[in-house]
Amino acid sequence: DAKTTQPNSMESNEEEPVHLPCNHSTISGTDYIHWYRQLPSQGPEYVIHGLTSNVNNRMASLAIAEDRKSSTLILHRATLRDAAVYYCILRVNYGGSQGNLIFGKGTKLSVKP
Amino acid sequence: NAGVMQNPRHLVRRRGQEARLRCSPMKGHSHVYWYRQLPEEGLKFMVYLQKENIIDESGMPKERFSAEFPKEGPSILRIQQVVRGDSAAYFCASSLIPGQGAVEQFFGPGTRLTVL
Repeated sequence: DAKTTQPNSMESNEEEPVHLPCNHSTISGTDYIHWYRQLPSQGPEYVIHGLTSNVNNRMASLAIAEDRKSSTLILHRATLRDAAVYYCILRVNYGGSQGNLIFGKGTKLSVKP
Repeated sequence: NAGVMQNPRHLVRRRGQEARLRCSPMKGHSHVYWYRQLPEEGLKFMVYLQKENIIDESGMPKERFSAEFPKEGPSILRIQQVVRGDSAAYFCASSLIPGQGAVEQFFGPGTRLTVL
């Protein structure tokens, strides 16, 4: 899977929007962009994924650059419960012989009340 | 629909003992993945199993570690003769179909292994 680059940490205030960036300049045409997050002392949790178009779900929005070399996870109103490490992961569309996720260091998001 | 279940949640072993970690995937999921997270480090892939088959064990240490996913029952990650360096959180994930680009994985709460 291609490499991603994320800031080590970010801070946000409660109730404000948060934009978490991810660079993936070596992305290939069939790579999906996934975001997972890991709350303290818990297992990772799927957040959202996309291929080319922007995506929205109940948790977040994913904005994908036109050239697909970067993307941004958007939390519209951060809450204290959103404090977690957020991982941006690229997934190749394999035929099924490989399945593992490759986690980088992620971005540790702190939310201040 | 119950999520991925792991037990025990916490496991304490003395050096040289065996550790058995269990993972029950989400209902209907036949693909299981094990990851390890050492203290203050990121998650690392260990092994990918389908029912009765090991698909990819490229992340498994060569010795003392083994995994299985029998036709009936949970997936088991077994660590023989544990050492202090095995102390970590072990997470299991499952998916409905193989790990293709758009497929998400569902993670369990993890087993925290402490080796004394």
